[in-house]
Amino acid sequence: GAGVSQSPSNKVTEKGKDVELRCDPISGHTALYWYRQSLGQGLEFLIYFQGNSAPDKSGLPSDRFSAERTGGSVSTLTIQRTQQEDSAVYLCASRSRTPGEQFFGPGTRLTVL
Amino acid sequence: TQLLEQSPQFLSIQEGENLTVYCNSSSVFSSLQWYRQEPGEGPVLLVTVVTGGEVKKLKRLTFQFGDARKDSSLHITAAQPGDTGLYLCAGVQSTGNQFYFGTGTSLTVIP
Repeated sequence: GAGVSQSPSNKVTEKGKDVELRCDPISGHTALYWYRQSLGQGLEFLIYFQGNSAPDKSGLPSDRFSAERTGGSVSTLTIQRTQQEDSAVYLCASRSRTPGEQFFGPGTRLTVL
Repeated sequence: TQLLEQSPQFLSIQEGENLTVYCNSSSVFSSLQWYRQEPGEGPVLLVTVVTGGEVKKLKRLTFQFGDARKDSSLHITAAQPGDTGLYLCAGVQSTGNQFYFGTGTSLTVIP
């Protein structure tokens, strides 16, 4: 596709369940970011992938959060044993090597009941 | 730790008025970006500034990067309802590839 896509667009889950969020970046973009955004707030960095390098996981809030990027393309963010405070919009962005501009997907709205 | 602080957090103005949004930090950034986000969508890049003192104009929007590359401002002239949205600044430091996002400014332009 022409842009970054994310699925599902909305996810409602019960506390304690695991969820997987998917991101399809723009073809050819080597960098991929995951962010979390609470209602009307700025973006909180979660994790960054660049090519075949080890990901920068410094933003992951706990060990319940993990992400992988297969084949340098599609990425999956997994949240285990979800908690109510995990409710937020999860945004994915991809970036070409230069000039460094990020292109965002529409996000996945996660609601943990 | 929030590296970039935006002000004001909320702004509601009448159509035709002018406004300025500020993005401030004590840290130096190699570049700074401004995004606009509408409900249910991801942020969309408006501009990137890279040189201290740089001024860029995008129609009625004027962006300025501070001389010391620690702060930036966004000025909108004659605001229109279509300008309504969440405005976010984001900085990149020379030491890494992580984007640090500001706290956001929610703008509402009333017709």
